[in-house]
Amino acid sequence: DTAVSQTPKYLVTQMGNDKSIKCEQNLGHDTMYWYKQDSKKFLKIMFSYNNKELIINETVPNRFSPKSPDKAHLNLHINSLELGDSAVYFCASSGYTGELFFGEGSRLTVL
Amino acid sequence: AQRVTQPEKLLSVFKGAPVELKCNYSYSGSPELFWYVQYSRQRLQLLLRHISRESIKGFTADLNKGETSFHLKKPFAQEEDSAMYYCALYGAQKLVFGQGTRLTINP
Repeated sequence: DTAVSQTPKYLVTQMGNDKSIKCEQNLGHDTMYWYKQDSKKFLKIMFSYNNKELIINETVPNRFSPKSPDKAHLNLHINSLELGDSAVYFCASSGYTGELFFGEGSRLTVL
Repeated sequence: AQRVTQPEKLLSVFKGAPVELKCNYSYSGSPELFWYVQYSRQRLQLLLRHISRESIKGFTADLNKGETSFHLKKPFAQEEDSAMYYCALYGAQKLVFGQGTRLTINP
């Protein structure tokens, strides 16, 4: 069974569109994250949620809006997409050990 | 704010040779340090953490607070070690990654 799953894996869209990426974890973890990996493979934290509450917001533009309907899900909605939003977005979760478990990533391409 | 630096973007060694991937950090508190690895077509996963002080797949890493380093070492590289390696520091409720080092093991 996949521990952290995110959909879609690939997303190609035009500038100005709005898109969402969904993430679900079945590990029973309280904390979930979104990371952005740029073209140089640099991984930067965007958000973290603990039990549906926003804990970290790393100065991400407010076009990005995370939503956590319950502690097993953390979705990412992006409005008015820009070229610079093209990246791979990783969802992750962690429990009491602090180890992060990652999803496979969602590659977003903005044309 | 915490910062993690991996000075080498690319590292290439021959099979059987020793490997050292460098990692330096800055953090005002007590650091928790990790190495994560991403093999080709696989998801990012934990390789080892400093508090466990164990060897995983022949890799070890020692936290040196004086030099603020957490270098990853393996005495004899194997071809299956080829991957992207990330050093990471946990502090202030978040895990911050270094820029990553792509390790290639040549046959």
